[in-house]
Amino acid sequence: DAKTTQPPSMDCAEGRAANLPCNHSTISGNEYVYWYRQIHSQGPQYIIHGLKNNETNEMASLIITEDRKSSTLILPHATLRDTAVYYCIVRVQSNQGGKLIFGQGTELSVKP
Amino acid sequence: NAGVTQTPKFQVLKTGQSMTLQCAQDMNHEYMSWYRQDPGMGLRLIHYSVGAGITDQGEVPNGYNVSRSTTEDFPLRLLSAAPSQTSVYFCASSFTSGKSKTQYFGPGTRLLVL
Repeated sequence: DAKTTQPPSMDCAEGRAANLPCNHSTISGNEYVYWYRQIHSQGPQYIIHGLKNNETNEMASLIITEDRKSSTLILPHATLRDTAVYYCIVRVQSNQGGKLIFGQGTELSVKP
Repeated sequence: NAGVTQTPKFQVLKTGQSMTLQCAQDMNHEYMSWYRQDPGMGLRLIHYSVGAGITDQGEVPNGYNVSRSTTEDFPLRLLSAAPSQTSVYFCASSFTSGKSKTQYFGPGTRLLVL
């Protein structure tokens, strides 16, 4: 079973920041938080990941709470092309590659 | 780099037929895996491999076989297709060592079993 809980859907106005929450209250100390998105049944696309510090890349920012029990993915200026299902996943960064266990994700709709 | 490639893009089978879904990557990744995604659902892990000659089962392995004879290729075989195997199949790969173990996904194969 997925170890994360996400709202099933969210709306966001184009040009505004999209803040997608994720709860992972049973996360272990060696588990990372990963975010992927899937646009219209294409292959999932990696967005960002982190352990305990906040992270930022060209796509998004990841804010992880101090107790690591929840996190927020931030798309700073959402566009229509960001409409997708967003998956929050926790996984161990092991030498075995690490299995990804997908939950239901959040369906983000960016509206004009 | 082509990344992760999958063939065919779409396939229709009759119940009981066999087929092989192909997956290849040119990033020298040790780890490769297969997922299936049913309508409205998240992805579920079928089989995975951490290197040539090594494979293991995921969440839903029944009805599928895999082998890993080279680093680049990780084919998924359906020996006797069933309608319950109608799904979209995704292959993914990543490094197993070093800083980045991010998994990268292929475009998917859509399979319909009649």
